[in-house]
Amino acid sequence: EDQVTQSPEALRLQEGESSSLNCSYTVSGLRGLFWYRQDPGKGPEFLFTLYSAGEEKEKERLKATLTKKESFLHITAPKPEDSATYLCAVKESYGKLTFGQGTILTVHP
Amino acid sequence: ETGVTQTPRHLVMGMTNKKSLKCEQHLGHNAMYWYKQSAKKPLELMFVYSLEERVENNSVPSRFSPECPNSSHLFLHLHTLQPEDSALYLCASSQEIAGRSYNEQFFGPGTRLTVL
Repeated sequence: EDQVTQSPEALRLQEGESSSLNCSYTVSGLRGLFWYRQDPGKGPEFLFTLYSAGEEKEKERLKATLTKKESFLHITAPKPEDSATYLCAVKESYGKLTFGQGTILTVHP
Repeated sequence: ETGVTQTPRHLVMGMTNKKSLKCEQHLGHNAMYWYKQSAKKPLELMFVYSLEERVENNSVPSRFSPECPNSSHLFLHLHTLQPEDSALYLCASSQEIAGRSYNEQFFGPGTRLTVL
């Protein structure tokens, strides 16, 4: 069965303290890995899509990377407004998205 | 309106009520989705519509009934729900390109449903 596991479940950082979130996956045929940001009471906001091992994408303070078994979301010098739940999802061979349970990020000023 | 909109944003209903959730996408996409998000659980895919045809029904109880009258609108009809159905219901859309599986999905703000 295809699985997506995100770690840690929660992460508390001081403003400016860089860190990484992990998304490990086991799928029979990866057709894409997606990162989303979700603020409380809102729907997930699309951040990145990664398709192949070695691929990297950046957006402001966020950088997503992909290997054959996991993806990392690196956050450089985070600000309090980066506080949110970060969701990882994989697109399986027949197109369905499977989500992880998310990492709750809190950045303190 | 832009993106994906959902109404109502909040809904409280009794177990014997019948209600409907509405989703509208303004992105010109041709695929739409319903997800359920419960506390401490990953998003669960419920239904997928591609080109207005239901292509996925993820073992959802019959008390949830989807309807997709056109590529821009999606409904979720609710009847005789249970308290455990209380959750955030999210709608999403994407552009499906022939020969490729579903691409990036864009989500609405969700409907917070409480079943008493």
